[in-house]
Amino acid sequence: EIVLTQSPGTLSLSPGERATLSCRASQSVSRSYLAWYQQKPGQAPRLLIYGASTRVTGIPDRFSGSGSGTDFTLTISRLEPEDFAVYYCQQYGSSPVYPFGQGTKLEIK
Amino acid sequence: QVQLVESGGGVVQPGGSLRLSCAASGFTFSNFAMHWVRQAPGKGLEWVALIWYDGSTEFYADSVKGRFFISRDNSKNTLHLQMNSLTAEDTAVYYCARDPSSKATAGRFDYWGQGNLVTVSS
Repeated sequence: EIVLTQSPGTLSLSPGERATLSCRASQSVSRSYLAWYQQKPGQAPRLLIYGASTRVTGIPDRFSGSGSGTDFTLTISRLEPEDFAVYYCQQYGSSPVYPFGQGTKLEIK
Repeated sequence: QVQLVESGGGVVQPGGSLRLSCAASGFTFSNFAMHWVRQAPGKGLEWVALIWYDGSTEFYADSVKGRFFISRDNSKNTLHLQMNSLTAEDTAVYYCARDPSSKATAGRFDYWGQGNLVTVSS
């Protein structure tokens, strides 16, 4: 069973700063099946990135994904006020299973 | 535009049953696999179940296998989740979510409903 561990649990930054969120898998995963979601309070998650680095249509280019193997990163280049939210990584396994990370809360400093 | 609207949530006693529905619009429902994903209060996301585009194949998380049953009615563009033998651990917001592929090979959820709260409590 693949476990996804996100770090940090909480990230406190100011608008305009760069955010780097980490997602580490307990074993190597296909980058084709690594996705990132954003969730704001009281809302459903929204797909941001899939295939580790492909941005969904309409997602601003300040969001980018990278990584391979066991280590993946979501980077927000210049934080806007609307970017403060909880971010989840998610992987797909062949059983099928769809494990999520526990989330990183990005809060305003 | 794609819309997914859940209904059927509420309060149920431990051991009871509940049926959730998800009405889909804005896309050809019968072309896409569909999922249920849940989120316990203040917690993270947990995948629950999936069903292929034609309803022929279903998969479940171990935590709900044998108690929950996913189904779909493509003539009515509706997804269902029948939940039986409910326990307090099933208390969560339940989201229906679309898979961008017909047989859930894409490995992600591209559209989500607004969620429906299920509370299991005596």
